[in-house]
Formats: sequence, C-alpha cells, structure tokens
Amino acid sequence: GNSVTQMEGPVTLSEEAFLTINCTYTATGYPSLFWYVQYPGEGLQLLLKATKADDKGSNKGFEATYRKETTSFHLEKGSVQVSDSAVYFCALSRGGGSNYKLTFGKGTLLTVNP
Amino acid sequence: GAVVSQHPSRVICKSGTSVKIECRSLDFQATTMFWYRQFPKQSLMLMATSNEGSKATYEQGVEKDKFLINHASLTLSTLTVTSAHPEDSSFYICSASGGPSYNEQFFGPGTRLTVL
Repeated sequence: GNSVTQMEGPVTLSEEAFLTINCTYTATGYPSLFWYVQYPGEGLQLLLKATKADDKGSNKGFEATYRKETTSFHLEKGSVQVSDSAVYFCALSRGGGSNYKLTFGKGTLLTVNP
Repeated sequence: GAVVSQHPSRVICKSGTSVKIECRSLDFQATTMFWYRQFPKQSLMLMATSNEGSKATYEQGVEKDKFLINHASLTLSTLTVTSAHPEDSSFYICSASGGPSYNEQFFGPGTRLTVL
C-alpha cells in the first residue's frame, strides 16, 4: 500500500538557519505529493504540492522537488523565521477528482528560536 | 480562502455516552468531507469519506456502527462517537473538498476528545 516516511522531530533551529525535512514515499504509479503545515491551534494548510516527476513546488520561501528516482520530496527553506514554527506533514494522494485520498507522514515539529 | 470549522474544539465525556462533532465549510460547498483521527506523535489516519447525500465510505478497520457519519448538506458533516470508551480518546480532524480547488482538501482545526 501507500506510505510516507518523514524525518522525525522535533527540529530546533535558530532564525535564518537552513531547513531540510526529509520525506520519502512508497506508492504504485504516479502519486501527487504535498507538504502541509499546521500552526499551533489551527488546521492543516496546504504549503506546496507537485503532481509529476521533477516538478518543484514552492511557497513562502519553502521548496520541494518531486524526485521519482529516489521516491523523495524533501522540504527546504534557505532562511527560517520564528513564524515558521509549526508541524509539517508530508503527504501523497492517489486517485482523482474530489474523492482522492491523502496518506500522511507522522509530522515533524519545527521550532525556530530568535 | 476556503475555511472549515469544527465544533467543539475540546470535549470531555464519560465512558458509555455518545459525542457529536460538527464539521462545517463556511464559504464553499463541500461535495466531499473526510474524517481523520490523529494519535499523539502519529500521522493522520483516514477514517471515512462522505459525499453529500450518500452513505459514508469507511476505511478498513473503522467500525461504522461506532463512528456514525452524516453528511446531510453541502456545508455540514457530523461524526458521532457512540458508546465512547477511553480508547476512543483522540484528536479528530475533518477536511472538505469541492471548493475553489476541487482536488484540494481544506482542514478544520480539530477536536480533542477525552473519554473518562
């Protein structure tokens, strides 16, 4: 079946440090890949996505590239801010339309200190 | 953007009672709603998928008689945990799709259920 493995946290960084959160997946065919972010007390928000191999998703300074050869979708940001402190979830989807299903990784807690 | 709310945010109940959790799409019509369960330090596990006006489709291992899902309108889905037991204590999260990006799920803030 489908599965997502992501780097376990927690991750603690200083402001302006470089961030990498690793994510690898197992799936048949060609899934779409996502990164979601959950700020304290809020619901999950879509951060970025990629729907085919070699696509790069980007948003708010975060980037991730869909690497089919390594089945990976690592999240990176060149310079983190305190406001980036949150839980980050890697996910994949199979199927189409509004009935597609998401499979999530366990989440990685990021804390950025000033 | 698309907003999904959940109510209540926290609930504590006695063992054997039933608890209802509401999920509402506030500014779009949700043709599909999803219910997830999240254990501490675990990923979100999909419990069921519901389409408006249809019976919910439950994932393998989820007891449909225990977790009753109703999706009676395009803006409201409810999850009722019947005869709750302490092992049902968890964080329940809903999501909705069918809004501006039809293949994107918009998530509610979650409901923390504690069964004593």
